[in-house]
Amino acid sequence: GAVVSQHPSRVICKSGTSVKIECRSLDFQATTMFWYRQFPKQSLMLMATSNEGSKATYEQGVEKDKFLINHASLTLSTLTVTSAHPEDSSFYICSAPPTGGVTDTQYFGPGTRLTVL
Amino acid sequence: SQQGEEDPQALSIQEGENATMNCSYKTSINNLQWYRQNSGRGLVHLNLIRSNEREKHSGRLRVTLDTSKKSSSLLITASRAADTASYFCAYSGTYKYIFGTGTRLKVLA
Repeated sequence: GAVVSQHPSRVICKSGTSVKIECRSLDFQATTMFWYRQFPKQSLMLMATSNEGSKATYEQGVEKDKFLINHASLTLSTLTVTSAHPEDSSFYICSAPPTGGVTDTQYFGPGTRLTVL
Repeated sequence: SQQGEEDPQALSIQEGENATMNCSYKTSINNLQWYRQNSGRGLVHLNLIRSNEREKHSGRLRVTLDTSKKSSSLLITASRAADTASYFCAYSGTYKYIFGTGTRLKVLA
């Protein structure tokens, strides 16, 4: 199946710093990618939809100035957590549907665990 | 919230028994998918069932979909200790996926 990678897999940072997480589709082009956040023992919550060549679409309650998304190319989307605080500590997962929409299987990255001290 | 509900929240069974997990959703869907997540890891795709399908089989997995009741079920037959994980349904509307609350399955050897 299609492969989606994320980097880094784990990051620890100090409060107030910014952290960038990369999501790459390795063997297909993705015009759309999705970013999710997962707190311990909870489900995945969609944060935003990343669109290549246009602005991301954020879900209600997600601060777009805090979670900056850039879909720089057809294989790369980045999520930057700006001025991170301990409450931003979470597991961040991206996904991409090879067909570009939601009519087929999504492929997920392995996730990035962010710990903010 | 559009988040789907899954039940049970947690399930503990003996190896060899069957495990059934249910997912209820709230909107019209294009398709519904089931994923497995081992602790602290990414998601593994198990199955996709489209809105015009009622049942799909894959190995020890059986997925059903009842669009009239807005519900789906995942059945794992002859469970193994390695099936211990969290299981999530995710359903698609027009442009995004919404995840269910998840079921934590523990299979005891």
